[in-house]
Amino acid sequence: QKEVEQDPGPLSVPEGAIVSLNCTYSNSAFQYFMWYRQYSRKGPELLMYTYSSGNKEDGRFTAQVDKSSKYISLFIRDSQPSDSATYLCAMSPGGYSGGGADGLTFGKGTHLIIQP
Amino acid sequence: EPEVTQTPSHQVTQMGQEVILRCVPISNHLYFYWYRQILGQKVEFLVSFYNNEISEKSEIFDDQFSVERPDGSNFTLKIRSTKLEDSAMYFCASRGTHEKLFFGSGTQLSVL
Repeated sequence: QKEVEQDPGPLSVPEGAIVSLNCTYSNSAFQYFMWYRQYSRKGPELLMYTYSSGNKEDGRFTAQVDKSSKYISLFIRDSQPSDSATYLCAMSPGGYSGGGADGLTFGKGTHLIIQP
Repeated sequence: EPEVTQTPSHQVTQMGQEVILRCVPISNHLYFYWYRQILGQKVEFLVSFYNNEISEKSEIFDDQFSVERPDGSNFTLKIRSTKLEDSAMYFCASRGTHEKLFFGSGTQLSVL
């Protein structure tokens, strides 16, 4: 059973567009949800984190969690070429650092390309 | 901004050889982690480490793997007898009292 599903892309959009990135999951124990950004040849960098359901906004980024549908989203407004990266969703039942024998469970990542 | 440093960036080894991957976590962090990512697959948790002992480990982290904090600044992952399927990018991560994880840039391990 695949716990976290994420479309690997690539997703190519023009500069200035609104980007929507999504993950679905099957484990109802997940309570902590994160989005990481990973540039080429770099490690993942935490972008957004939310607990349980609801929305969280930070600048051009909005993270959304719908636990009833087991669906999380990341929206990027006014997308820039510097947003081009791989975006990984991650989740955990026990905290933003994992806190259990499974640690953080990641999606495969969506490769995003913002065309200038 | 402080960062997690991993060396080497790329390590090539022969099957059956021992390798040690090195990490220097952020200096005031107390919690340390290893994750790995096989090419084309998800980032997977290996182990977490706190107060000089393993806190949690995944099924992947079998007897071939060990971790150590040999001094006040380094955190190492040792693979005793490498297999072809150990080829992956290995990420070290650390955190302080806040739960935000900081990842290093990774060591690409190639087992031939």
